[in-house]
Amino acid sequence: DQQVKQNSPSLSVQEGRISILNCDYTNSMFDYFLWYKKYPAEGPTFLISISSIKDKNEDGRFTVFLNKSAKHLSLHIVPSQPGDSAVYFCAASARGSQGNLIFGKGTKLSVKP
Amino acid sequence: GAGVSQSPSNKVTEKGKDVELRCDPISGHTALYWYRQSLGQGLEFLIYFQGNSAPDKSGLPSDRFSAERTGGSVSTLTIQRTQQEDSAVYLCASSLRGENIQYFGAGTRLSVL
Repeated sequence: DQQVKQNSPSLSVQEGRISILNCDYTNSMFDYFLWYKKYPAEGPTFLISISSIKDKNEDGRFTVFLNKSAKHLSLHIVPSQPGDSAVYFCAASARGSQGNLIFGKGTKLSVKP
Repeated sequence: GAGVSQSPSNKVTEKGKDVELRCDPISGHTALYWYRQSLGQGLEFLIYFQGNSAPDKSGLPSDRFSAERTGGSVSTLTIQRTQQEDSAVYLCASSLRGENIQYFGAGTRLSVL
């Protein structure tokens, strides 16, 4: 039973356009959400995060939106660049947990020049 | 070192053999996590160490898996009597106490023939 779901295994976007990656979760105890980016043969790299007390967090070209009522979050990348091509993982941490993260299966983003 | 270091980067072993995977966390990080990523899957939590506290072993898939952390720093994940389903990328992450953001190593790709 997946607690964090990324329903799109892949996404293709033209350079300069917006990339929107989606993530749904089922556990209402999750109170912190993170996005990681992973290149082949490398470990995941932290990208951006959001606490459940907020509904938006922005860092440069990256913005994460959280809709708690829908148990949905999204990562917006604008403008998209070819170097953004990677697998993006959504992860969540539960209130009172030891901090171990629950990950989605990832979405492979391809940004075409 | 600057980041989380894992060794070996690749390991090929025969079914039934034991393997040891090593993780050297970021200096000063008291929390250390092991995850594994099987083909096409997200990262699956295995075990968590925090300082000198007893580890959280709730994610270990069987008693063939064990891990230790010596001196609050380097950790070793041991898989005994390896099976083909153990083939995966094993990732180590570390974080500061109470910090949600985890920093990952590049992983060890384990192939059990």
